[in-house]
Amino acid sequence: AQSVAQPEDQVNVAEGNPLTVKCTYSVSGNPYLFWYVQYPNRGLQFLLKYITGDNLVKGSYGFEAEFNKSQTSFHLKKPSALVSDSALYFCAVSPRGGSSASKIIFGSGTRLSIRP
Amino acid sequence: EAQVTQNPRYLITVTGKKLTVTCSQNMNHEYMSWYRQDPGLGLRQIYYSMNVEVTDKGDVPEGYKVSRKEKRNFPLILESPSPNQTSLYFCASSLQGPDYGYTFGSGTRLTVV
Repeated sequence: AQSVAQPEDQVNVAEGNPLTVKCTYSVSGNPYLFWYVQYPNRGLQFLLKYITGDNLVKGSYGFEAEFNKSQTSFHLKKPSALVSDSALYFCAVSPRGGSSASKIIFGSGTRLSIRP
Repeated sequence: EAQVTQNPRYLITVTGKKLTVTCSQNMNHEYMSWYRQDPGLGLRQIYYSMNVEVTDKGDVPEGYKVSRKEKRNFPLILESPSPNQTSLYFCASSLQGPDYGYTFGSGTRLTVV
């Protein structure tokens, strides 16, 4: 079955340190990959997506994500964390990338907490 | 401002009392979708619509109805709500499909007692 896994429910990082939020997927073919962020009492916001090409994708708010096909991973990274990055982060995968009827699968979310 | 507007933000209702959650987008997006968010389960798709008068079931459609009479509106209808429908609901829209990236509404927290 197609799935997306975010193995950590919570990630705690000190401000100024690099952060990584992990995501692995089990989807055949060449999927589209996404990261969304959810701040308290808000809807999800699009951060970045990978379609093809360079394995390092840059997105909003200084975030980037690294696609690794052999490990079927799409980890979210930031070189220097800010307290304002504290939020819930969702990885998502579209198995039939490029189709208007494609279905997107969301991970269960990882809560990122940045301490001052 | 480009946005997806959901109403209400919070709703407490009783079992069996029909309710509608409205969703409207001002971006001329063709694709709209409803999700529910439950702890530990992420987001699960309820229904989606690829265009006016075109709707289809998502992963958890039981107990819900939708309609798409106009491009901008995509209401979610619970004909007879039950406590297991207590959840946080999000409407989302996209230009032509989720591969283009979603714009989400702010959410509706529904409690059914």
